[in-house]
Amino acid sequence: AQSVSQHNHHVILSEAASLELGCNYSYGGTVNLFWYVQYPGQHLQLLLKYFSGDPLVKGIKGFEAEFIKSKFSFNLRKPSVQWSDTAEYFCAVNLDSNYQLIWGAGTKLIIKP
Amino acid sequence: EAGVTQFPSHSVIEKGQTVTLRCDPISGHDNLYWYRRVMGKEIKFLLHFVKESKQDESGMPNNRFLAERTGGTYSTLKVQPAELEDSGVYFCASSQVGRPIGPFFGQGTRLTVV
Repeated sequence: AQSVSQHNHHVILSEAASLELGCNYSYGGTVNLFWYVQYPGQHLQLLLKYFSGDPLVKGIKGFEAEFIKSKFSFNLRKPSVQWSDTAEYFCAVNLDSNYQLIWGAGTKLIIKP
Repeated sequence: EAGVTQFPSHSVIEKGQTVTLRCDPISGHDNLYWYRRVMGKEIKFLLHFVKESKQDESGMPNNRFLAERTGGTYSTLKVQPAELEDSGVYFCASSQVGRPIGPFFGQGTRLTVV
């Protein structure tokens, strides 16, 4: 069965540190890739998405992700995190033209001020 | 523009009772999805409506769950009778037809069955 793996369930960083959250998926066909974020008490919000084209995708709030097809990966990065980035981050995939999203388990990110 | 809204935000019910969750999608979004996150696990797909039609209900756990979308606007998800393992956060999302990408999510309903 298709699956999405997020390598870290909890990450703690200090402000200004660089961030990379790993995401790998298991599916050999065409995929659309997403990163969502859920800030405390808020709804899930789309950070960025990849469908085709440039594998380096830029999203909101200074986040970016790189699709590496050979590694089945879509890692999320931010060069310098802020306290306000404290949230839970989810990687998700949909396969071919299927509308259903398959989710990773989420990574809780805590930024120490 | 109003986002996806869900009601209630929290619900605590006893095992065996019935609960109905409601989702109002973004106006004009014909795609409506329900997802669920059980504590500590990943978010799982439940079902997908296109307007009032169930396009895919492969993720519905069992026949205690019934989703409807009469008139193709808001949707309800009823759990009857509720069991302890139904506890979790139920998310609703919507998107435009032809854009099966980046659906917009509501804030979720946290259901606790005791």
